[in-house]
Amino acid sequence: NAGVTQTPKFQVLKTGQSMTLQCAQDMNHEYMSWYRQDPGMGLRLIHYSVGAGITDQGEVPNGYNVSRSTTEDFPLRLLSAAPSQTSVYFCASSTGLTGNTIYFGEGSWLTVV
Amino acid sequence: AQSVTQPDIHITVSEGASLELRCNYSYGATPYLFWYVQSPGQGLQLLLKYFSGDTLVQGIKGFEAEFKRSQSSFNLRKPSVHWSDAAEYFCAVAAGGSNYKLTFGKGTLLTVNP
Repeated sequence: NAGVTQTPKFQVLKTGQSMTLQCAQDMNHEYMSWYRQDPGMGLRLIHYSVGAGITDQGEVPNGYNVSRSTTEDFPLRLLSAAPSQTSVYFCASSTGLTGNTIYFGEGSWLTVV
Repeated sequence: AQSVTQPDIHITVSEGASLELRCNYSYGATPYLFWYVQSPGQGLQLLLKYFSGDTLVQGIKGFEAEFKRSQSSFNLRKPSVHWSDAAEYFCAVAAGGSNYKLTFGKGTLLTVNP
């Protein structure tokens, strides 16, 4: 059971480039989300999805796009990377049922130069 | 909107000493509360969670936390710290009674002296 898998683990981008962070889960979870972690800021919610075809914005959505075409996958797209998007990104999934655990991926370290 | 405050940015304890990490939350209804631990360069590991019932929650690695509604607190405790407990600890509250949208505190970095 792989859980939540994020790729790539490390990436360096130039300002203005685009890229997609991949997230896949094999637990048939309905709920998936993306967080970013910055020093001294904890984790902040970027976007989330409550099921295939349904997404919504979190606390810090600007500069990011998401889509959810399947239950398993929830990619995060940076259309035009900026240095302010240098961060560690975590994907998470859960069933959404009260009391159930939220599972996190191992993180993707992104540097924008 | 909900919020979480972890008043201590950095705590240093000696190995074998007791530990208490503070967490205060702001949320209008009954909160769902979590403690996560993150070792350097690693992802997040769930230590324990509170949804309802007994206000003293037992977690993994010998940790426990107590939910105190009157103080809006969910402090994490361990009676005897091990060097391997050195890490960053995050308290989080779930939004809207769900457990898929979390609001995190800014974290407390724990250093353990030999």
